[in-house]
Amino acid sequence: ETGVTQSPTHLIKTRGQQVTLRCSSQSGHNTVSWYQQALGQGPQFIFQYYREEENGRGNFPPRFSGLQFPNYSSELNVNALELDDSALYLCASSLLAGGPDTQYFGPGTRLTVL
Amino acid sequence: GDSVTQMEGPVTLSEEAFLTINCTYTATGYPSLFWYVQYPGEGLQLLLKATKADDKGSNKGFEATYRKETTSFHLEKGSVQVSDSAVYFCALEGNTGKLIFGQGTTLQVKP
Repeated sequence: ETGVTQSPTHLIKTRGQQVTLRCSSQSGHNTVSWYQQALGQGPQFIFQYYREEENGRGNFPPRFSGLQFPNYSSELNVNALELDDSALYLCASSLLAGGPDTQYFGPGTRLTVL
Repeated sequence: GDSVTQMEGPVTLSEEAFLTINCTYTATGYPSLFWYVQYPGEGLQLLLKATKADDKGSNKGFEATYRKETTSFHLEKGSVQVSDSAVYFCALEGNTGKLIFGQGTTLQVKP
């Protein structure tokens, strides 16, 4: 059984650019959640995808968008990057079946915006 | 809204000392409670969880009990090791399916 994987590990972009981060969920899981963790802070919920549909969103602007694919892998897209978008982006997968379940995290993608 | 508050760190202990990291929460309904650990440069690892009042989660010598009357989920370990040095996050999950985290507590264990 493979765990949650994310790519790339590190990424450097400049202000105004666009970025796509990728996540492969743990085998058997149908739900992916994305979190942003600024340096020295706890993770903040961005959104969740369940069976290819957005299933809840945190307090992030529309330039943060996502996709989930039929194999339950997911992408996080951020447009018009700002300096404050520099953070560790964490993906978590879980099995949603009638209620929330334990979320298992990937190693994260470290995004630096210059 | 729902929230989690953890004791501020860093917490510095000598090896084999007793550890307590306090966590309290505010939530509507009956959330599940979690402790996650983050080692330097890594993602979050689930340490333990409890899904209802009076449940005790335990793993690798760490324990936490879900106390509804005091809205707390304090993390304890009887004898810490240098390898336990990390950042510890308390979190809750309500019926929305999103995790709400505390700000994290850094633990440093010295030999």
